[in-house]
Amino acid sequence: NAGVTQTPKFQVLKTGQSMTLQCAQDMNHEYMSWYRQDPGMGLRLIHYSVGAGITDQGEVPNGYNVSRSTTEDFPLRLLSAAPSQTSVYFCASSYMAGFTGELFFGEGSRLTVL
Amino acid sequence: AQSVTQLDSQVPVFEEAPVELRCNYSSSVSVYLFWYVQYPNQGLQLLLKYLSGSTLVKGINGFEAEFNKSQTSFHLRKPSVHISDTAEYFCAVRAYSGAGSYQLTFGKGTKLSVIP
Repeated sequence: NAGVTQTPKFQVLKTGQSMTLQCAQDMNHEYMSWYRQDPGMGLRLIHYSVGAGITDQGEVPNGYNVSRSTTEDFPLRLLSAAPSQTSVYFCASSYMAGFTGELFFGEGSRLTVL
Repeated sequence: AQSVTQLDSQVPVFEEAPVELRCNYSSSVSVYLFWYVQYPNQGLQLLLKYLSGSTLVKGINGFEAEFNKSQTSFHLRKPSVHISDTAEYFCAVRAYSGAGSYQLTFGKGTKLSVIP
């Protein structure tokens, strides 16, 4: 039972480089989201999707792009990495957008931007 | 917009002692509240949730929380903690984000350290 799988687990980038954080879930969840976690800041929502072809911005979307071509996958793209994007990124999914259930989290991707 | 405030960033407690982690939420007509736990180097997992009904909610690992509408609080409690409870705990509220969809808004977290 894989659940939510994130790759890579660790990544070091130089300022200005681009990269994609991958997220896949095998639970047929409609809702998928990306959060970033920074010390003392809790988790902040970057982007989310309520189904294939539908995405929307969260609290901190600047510098990030997402797309949702399939139910299973929800990649997060950093267009031009900046040191301020150094963080731990979590992908989370839920079977419905109403959240009467729960969010299922991946194990996180730790990104360092030099 | 809905929000939650966790009143303590760090809580040290001795093993087998009781603990309370405090959470206050912004008022709304209806509110769904959650507590999540994050063990070191892991993702978050649901501890318990309040949707409606009984104001005392029981979760996993012996934790419980009480929804108090008049105080706009949702404090997490455990009568006797173990070393394995050392983790960061996040309070969260469901917020309406438009077009019939919702999102979870998290507090800044409380680090619980259990001292042997």
